[in-house]
Amino acid sequence: QVQLQQWGAGLLKPSETLSLTCGVFGGSLSDHYWSWIRQSPGSGLEWIGEIHSSGRTYFDPSLKSRLTISLDTSKNQFSLRLSSVTAADTAIYYCARGRGVIGRFFDHWGRGTLVTVSS
Amino acid sequence: QSVLTQPPSVSGAPGQRVVISCTGTTSNIGTGYDVHWYQQLPGTAPKLLIYENTNRPSGVPDRFSGSRSGTSASLAITGLQAEDEADYYCHSYDSGLRGSVFGSGTKVTVL
Repeated sequence: QVQLQQWGAGLLKPSETLSLTCGVFGGSLSDHYWSWIRQSPGSGLEWIGEIHSSGRTYFDPSLKSRLTISLDTSKNQFSLRLSSVTAADTAIYYCARGRGVIGRFFDHWGRGTLVTVSS
Repeated sequence: QSVLTQPPSVSGAPGQRVVISCTGTTSNIGTGYDVHWYQQLPGTAPKLLIYENTNRPSGVPDRFSGSRSGTSASLAITGLQAEDEADYYCHSYDSGLRGSVFGSGTKVTVL
């Protein structure tokens, strides 16, 4: 059974860089898409971006200029970096595995990391 | 503002049937992109409930069913149970945004 475990700093100041990592256990990074999704307090889900095991990335256009998603196949994990954060980036961040070609669905999720941006 | 529109809340008595709608546009559901559904219990991560419009992952009760038609999709819960109280989100792909889009979420209350 695939499990995703995520970790990273939970409290940031404005203008700092958000950095989260998601480890994949019980499965391989190969042949799948790996996504980051966030949920602002009391709000719905927002797709941030994803990376395929080949290294190809796809980003939400509104976040693209601040966003980096990368893979570390030797450690079976992938990471998110979001620069120049503001209070609007305060959210629970989830990592997830995507399946499918276009219109992927997310069949495994991490537990989520609450990231708070506050001065 | 979410690209896919869902009613904020639906409710029903135990044993009843409730339906959650998900309305999109011609750049997502209307193009034929698949719709998926997730259940989010309070304080937990979303869980895949329905994938590719009508399919249930192993372990999901057959009380949950999905459908898609035109620019909309629906999730039906029959034989409503107290444990079904949760938030439900639809999800699809948008060709204009070139990425995943989610619905605004629907809170199901069991009366």
